[in-house]
Amino acid sequence: AQSVTQLGSHVSVSEGALVLLRCNYSSSVPPYLFWYVQYPNQGLQLLLKYTSAATLVKGINGFEAEFKKSETSFHLTKPSAHMSDAAEYFCAVTLDTGFQKLVFGTGTRLLVSP
Amino acid sequence: SQTIHQWPATLVQPVGSPLSLECTVEGTSNPNLYWYRQAAGRGLQLLFYSVGIGQISSEVPQNLSASRPQDRQFILSSKKLLLSDSGFYLCAWSVLGGSTEAFFGQGTRLTVV
Repeated sequence: AQSVTQLGSHVSVSEGALVLLRCNYSSSVPPYLFWYVQYPNQGLQLLLKYTSAATLVKGINGFEAEFKKSETSFHLTKPSAHMSDAAEYFCAVTLDTGFQKLVFGTGTRLLVSP
Repeated sequence: SQTIHQWPATLVQPVGSPLSLECTVEGTSNPNLYWYRQAAGRGLQLLFYSVGIGQISSEVPQNLSASRPQDRQFILSSKKLLLSDSGFYLCAWSVLGGSTEAFFGQGTRLTVV
């Protein structure tokens, strides 16, 4: 069965610094991978997704992620953090089974300090 | 455009009371529908999913049930709430196909007291 592991329940960065949120997946077949963002007491919003096209995926709000099969990773990055990026981020995986059933990681809370 | 509505936003219920959370989707037909629960430090857990009216699949045994009386309506219920049912409940929908993302409602914060 597929799964994702997010290393670090909390990540702290300064405004303007690089953001790196880690996600490793486990899947017996090529997966589809997603990053979602959640602001307090709100639903999840899609940041970006990997669907076996380009391995470097660009998303909203300046985020991007690179699919590395050899490392089974799909880390999320942003060159320069903004205060508004403070939120919880979830990595998720699903398989092309014709039905989309997401398996989520436990989430990483991003803290941005001035 | 498609929208998803979930209500109520917050709910405080006593132990042993019933529960009904509603979710409706607009602007699409025959969506896949999902109920997730989010507990602190545990990510999101899929509770139920549905591929059509009256078709419900349960992912984990629990005190909750789900129903889909109409194509774009998904209801999460319980006859008697437990303290452990507290959490943040999210409804979501997607179209058929693994490459498409799920779209989430704003969630319901349920506190069982």
